[in-house]
Amino acid sequence: QSALTQPASVSGSPGQSITISCTGSSSDVGNYNYVSWYQQHPGKAPKLVIYDVSNRPSGVSNRFSGSKSGNTASLTISGLQAEDEADYYCSSYTTTYTLAVFGTGTKVTVL
Amino acid sequence: QVQLVQSGAEVKKPGASVKVACKASGYSFTNYYLHWVRQAPGQGLVWMGIINPSGGSTSYAEKFQGRVTMTSDTSTGTVYMELRSLRSDDTAVYYCARDRTLRLVGYALDSWGQGTLVTVSS
Repeated sequence: QSALTQPASVSGSPGQSITISCTGSSSDVGNYNYVSWYQQHPGKAPKLVIYDVSNRPSGVSNRFSGSKSGNTASLTISGLQAEDEADYYCSSYTTTYTLAVFGTGTKVTVL
Repeated sequence: QVQLVQSGAEVKKPGASVKVACKASGYSFTNYYLHWVRQAPGQGLVWMGIINPSGGSTSYAEKFQGRVTMTSDTSTGTVYMELRSLRSDDTAVYYCARDRTLRLVGYALDSWGQGTLVTVSS
């Protein structure tokens, strides 16, 4: 079962912008807009921050934005804050041997 | 408000089965699909499957086919996930999570249970 590919870690200073990539294939990210992003703090359940590629749930800061190009989706966090330090996972619907697949996860560090 | 409350931690021996409960409240139980996701210690998220609480139809990830069963009890607003033939690599936190799309599957999980740690050890 292959996960979507994310960088293991991304870092930035407070106030900066960072972007996390999520690379899949034509079986998932490339042909479907069911791409979501989750934030997970240590010991906590994940929290939805982006759904359907670029939509923010109510209550999520507008510093979080999502996009997609080809087989790669991206999450951008602008105006980086200390509270943004967490693990981030993308996910997508897939036509392979499972209906949904998560990314490998990215640890975001605020310097 | 939407709440998903899961049953407590479990310790099981290899070869045994575990059944994790997830009780929903704060919304119309039968109108939203529920997913199960697991996370091994220090590892990433893995999607296990989905259940429609209205009618009980399910779909499982191929990795868990034959070992997992998801059921729902509309009288109590609770879904269950049973995993059989446990191995040490099944040690993980198991989460239930609600799909945000009304009566459809949108693959975006907007509310999560607190997680249930299942430890498999001899």
